[in-house]
Amino acid sequence: NAGVTQTPKFQVLKTGQSMTLQCAQDMNHEYMSWYRQDPGMGLRLIHYSVGAGITDQGEVPNGYNVSRSTTEDFPLRLLSAAPSQTSVYFCASSYLVTYNSPLHFGNGTRLTVT
Amino acid sequence: DAKTTQPPSMDCAEGRAANLPCNHSTISGNEYVYWYRQIHSQGPQYIIHGLKNNETNEMASLIITEDRKSSTLILPHATLRDTAVYYCIVREITGTASKLTFGTGTRLQVTL
Repeated sequence: NAGVTQTPKFQVLKTGQSMTLQCAQDMNHEYMSWYRQDPGMGLRLIHYSVGAGITDQGEVPNGYNVSRSTTEDFPLRLLSAAPSQTSVYFCASSYLVTYNSPLHFGNGTRLTVT
Repeated sequence: DAKTTQPPSMDCAEGRAANLPCNHSTISGNEYVYWYRQIHSQGPQYIIHGLKNNETNEMASLIITEDRKSSTLILPHATLRDTAVYYCIVREITGTASKLTFGTGTRLQVTL
């Protein structure tokens, strides 16, 4: 059981480049989300989705796009990377009815924008 | 989802119980309390959750006050491997308002 898989693990971009961070889960979770983590800032929610075709903004959505065409995948797109987007990105998923469903996190993508 | 407040850091001697507090004074009746921890730069790991009763599993115990406005995570015999950042969050049962925010957590340092 793979759980939540994030790729790549590491990425270096130049300012202005675009890229997609991939997130896939094999647990049939309806809920998926993206967080970024900066030193001393904890985890901040970027975007989340409660099902295929449904996405919504979190605390820090600017500069990021998401889509949810399937239950399994929730890619995060940076259209024009900026140094301020240097961070560690985590994807998480869970069942939507959450009384007994903790979030499952991936191992993160460490992104550096120069 | 309600906000939570945690102390930024705590120390604990190895072998002793670590008691990590969390304030969630605006919690509503349909929100669970969840605890996670993050070791180094790994993805956060689920520890335990509860609604209003105290809960215990192989990792920890969760004590929720009767008014549900605060809770305490207890690691009964802390080890060096428990050094981590611990996050307390609240989450609605139905998940319809799933804008989960984690805050900055409590950095627990376990020492010899």
